[in-house]
Amino acid sequence: DQQVKQNSPSLSVQEGRISILNCDYTNSMFDYFLWYKKYPAEGPTFLISISSIKDKNEDGRFTVFLNKSAKHLSLHIVPSQPGDSAVYFCAASENRDDKIIFGKGTRLHILP
Amino acid sequence: NAGVTQTPKFQVLKTGQSMTLQCAQDMNHNSMYWYRQDPGMGLRLIYYSASEGTTDKGEVPNGYNVSRLNKREFSLRLESAAPSQTSVYFCASGGAGNSPLHFGNGTRLTVT
Repeated sequence: DQQVKQNSPSLSVQEGRISILNCDYTNSMFDYFLWYKKYPAEGPTFLISISSIKDKNEDGRFTVFLNKSAKHLSLHIVPSQPGDSAVYFCAASENRDDKIIFGKGTRLHILP
Repeated sequence: NAGVTQTPKFQVLKTGQSMTLQCAQDMNHNSMYWYRQDPGMGLRLIYYSASEGTTDKGEVPNGYNVSRLNKREFSLRLESAAPSQTSVYFCASGGAGNSPLHFGNGTRLTVT
């Protein structure tokens, strides 16, 4: 049973517009959430994270929103740029457990 | 600064053969992880090690063994490879608890 779900396998967004990637989780013990970006033939790289004590974290063009009651988080990228075309993974972990669980990923295409 | 180094980059095995995937990190991280990435399945945790001397099963441990040789190195062994183990394998390391993971560039394994 998947604990971290990314239900959109792919997303296409016009360059300059906002990209919104969504993630749902089922484990209420998760208290730390991360987003990773992956290019082909490379390992994933860390993008941004959020602790469960917050509902928003911003870093430049990237903002992550957390809705604990809905067990939902989203990553907003604005404005979207061609280099943002990649696969984005949502991940989560419990505080006392180092096990980090990933979703299936969403492939983002930024259109010119 | 090498970060996380995985060897080999590519490997082809016949069914029933054994091999060990090597991983080393130079960031003095306590935790190390092995994931596999398959099309449509995202990143699935095979095994992880929260500290030197400890290892724990992840989501898909069957058919694999691991060794945390020292703080730097965490190897993944396939004793009798099967076609279902054809995948891209990623090693990662992270700091205590909630720090982001750093990934290697992966090992592409094909079992025929």
